[in-house]
Amino acid sequence: EVQLVESGGGLVQPGGSLRLSCAASGFTFSSYWMHWVRQAPGKGLVWVSRSNSDGSRTNYADSVKGRFTISRDNAKNTLYLQMNSLRAEDTAVYYCTRVGQLLYPGAFDIWGQGTMVTVSS
Amino acid sequence: QSVLTQPPSASGTPGQRVTISCSGSSSNIGSNTVTWYQQLPGTAPKLLIYSNSHRPSGVPDRFSGSKSGTSASLAISGLQSEDEADYYCAAWDDSLNGLVIFGGGTKLTVL
Repeated sequence: EVQLVESGGGLVQPGGSLRLSCAASGFTFSSYWMHWVRQAPGKGLVWVSRSNSDGSRTNYADSVKGRFTISRDNAKNTLYLQMNSLRAEDTAVYYCTRVGQLLYPGAFDIWGQGTMVTVSS
Repeated sequence: QSVLTQPPSASGTPGQRVTISCSGSSSNIGSNTVTWYQQLPGTAPKLLIYSNSHRPSGVPDRFSGSKSGTSASLAISGLQSEDEADYYCAAWDDSLNGLVIFGGGTKLTVL
């Protein structure tokens, strides 16, 4: 079964750090671009970051640039999001998601269940 | 503020047909394909429509998508209670280094 499972969320104080993980299974992880998308409580989806298939190219939303770092370990089939200098406005459910290739071009075809990050004192 | 504009809410009765609009610009919908996602309460988003009008396997043909110029629409015919969810459009935006943007979402209520 094709699956993405996030972990690492939790409660953190403003200015703190967290590292999210996304474990992939059921597909050739190293062949896919991967993204992080977040959703603040009661709000809509917001794109956060992306990594190409080998991790050599990354992009970030302006709101997290310089604070968040996306990375991946293809040997472990795992995507990461290192979040530093966290702010209250970073509070959200964080989803990792895969970009479909030939079958679903340009679409996020697989999503994890999400992990909640709460930034509060 | 989302670059893609959706109505915040929509509603219909069982069996009805409802449409949800998504308005963008030349740098996103005007030059790239549109994707639609369905998010049932308390769950992760699910791919509903890709490449403007194509359904992944397993998505009922009651769901259809279309695009014209810088706007797109999602139509749901034969509305069912289980269709009550949030619906998001998305497109890649050439002005943002080709990154993806989402609409603000539309909450569909089945009356």
